[in-house]
Amino acid sequence: LAKTTQPISMDSYEGQEVNITCSHNNIATNDYITWYQQFPSQGPRFIIQGYKTKVTNEVASLFIPADRKSSTLSLPRVSLSDTAVYYCLVGALAAGNKLTFGGGTRVLVKP
Amino acid sequence: NAGVTQTPKFRVLKTGQSMTLLCAQDMNHEYMYWYRQDPGMGLRLIHYSVGEGTTAKGEVPDGYNVSRLKKQNFLLGLESAAPSQTSVYFCASSYLDENEQFFGPGTRLTVL
Repeated sequence: LAKTTQPISMDSYEGQEVNITCSHNNIATNDYITWYQQFPSQGPRFIIQGYKTKVTNEVASLFIPADRKSSTLSLPRVSLSDTAVYYCLVGALAAGNKLTFGGGTRVLVKP
Repeated sequence: NAGVTQTPKFRVLKTGQSMTLLCAQDMNHEYMYWYRQDPGMGLRLIHYSVGEGTTAKGEVPDGYNVSRLKKQNFLLGLESAAPSQTSVYFCASSYLDENEQFFGPGTRLTVL
């Protein structure tokens, strides 16, 4: 069972880049890595997913080193509306593995 | 499309009472999931289903039962509620295991 750990919180300012790293030392071969964003009183919302190397979409980038024991979510040029809790999820049910969420990182974007 | 909906939004139970939480999705997804989220913690998987008529245990299944009689619905039951089950419950669905999960708005349950 992959144990996933994230920093509890981090502060940033509008226009800056925010990088959040998730540690998953026991990641299994078939596990994929997914990041979600959650606002208060709402369900999590998908941001990005990857298996290895780098993935980029319109809102974020995901960097995964060759050993896959960690992953870094990068949010470019954050705004106040990016203040939220960010979770990494590691696992693959179809491969017989479990799904494990990290404890979440509370990101506060200041003006 | 409504996406993923959950019923009810809030509920207060007394210890020992039973209840069923309903999750519905209109995206024709195969996979459905039930999570619980406690303060300061991430989401923990309770049970999941890989298709109509199937269920499987997640990380914290004790005290809960589930059923998936119809593809679009996934029910979570508490037979005898305990204060330790006070939590926010989220349902989610995805087309396949590796696809993004779509989450419902959550059910806030308090057990006194």
